[in-house]
Amino acid sequence: AQTVTQSQPEMSVQEAETVTLSCTYDTSESDYYLFWYKQPPSRQMILVIRQEAYKQQNATENRFSVNFQKAAKSFSLKISDSQLGDAAMYFCAYRRRAGANNLFFGTGTRLTVIP
Amino acid sequence: EAQVTQNPRYLITVTGKKLTVTCSQNMNHEYMSWYRQDPGLGLRQIYYSMNVEVTDKGDVPEGYKVSRKEKRNFPLILESPSPNQTSLYFCASSRTGANYGYTFGSGTRLTVV
Repeated sequence: AQTVTQSQPEMSVQEAETVTLSCTYDTSESDYYLFWYKQPPSRQMILVIRQEAYKQQNATENRFSVNFQKAAKSFSLKISDSQLGDAAMYFCAYRRRAGANNLFFGTGTRLTVIP
Repeated sequence: EAQVTQNPRYLITVTGKKLTVTCSQNMNHEYMSWYRQDPGLGLRQIYYSMNVEVTDKGDVPEGYKVSRKEKRNFPLILESPSPNQTSLYFCASSRTGANYGYTFGSGTRLTVV
């Protein structure tokens, strides 16, 4: 079974600084996708960034980037120039390419942005 | 606007009183799923459906039922709710294919007293 682990229940960052959220996962598959979702206080789930396992290049979306280490099964999210609107719960998620394509989530990291 | 619509947004009910949370998507997605979110546990899958009349259990299916009679609708049924089903529920949909992220509904906060 796939498991996704987020070992940091809470993180904080000063506004305009950079923060990295950690995620590790366990799978026997070689082809899969990884995602980071953001859940602000509105509780809406918002897709932040995705990474394809067969691509070595790390995904980037504006101030958000990932550090994908396939051999280590690690998928961290870096937020640069943190803004107050980045304060949210962040979930790491895994989805394999074949089969049912279920999305497996980690337990989340609550990010606080300090003005 | 492409969206997943869940209703109701908030619900308080009593133990044992059957309830249904509705979910509808307008994107012609094949794949739909229900999750519950609890503090410290993240989102856990309850049931999923890969297409009409095709449903299967997720990680925490006990106490829940689903049906997929139409492609756009995927209701979650609690036949006899219990307090341990107090949670935040999300419906989500996706095109078949792992590269697609899910589109989520706005969530239903359910309290069973």
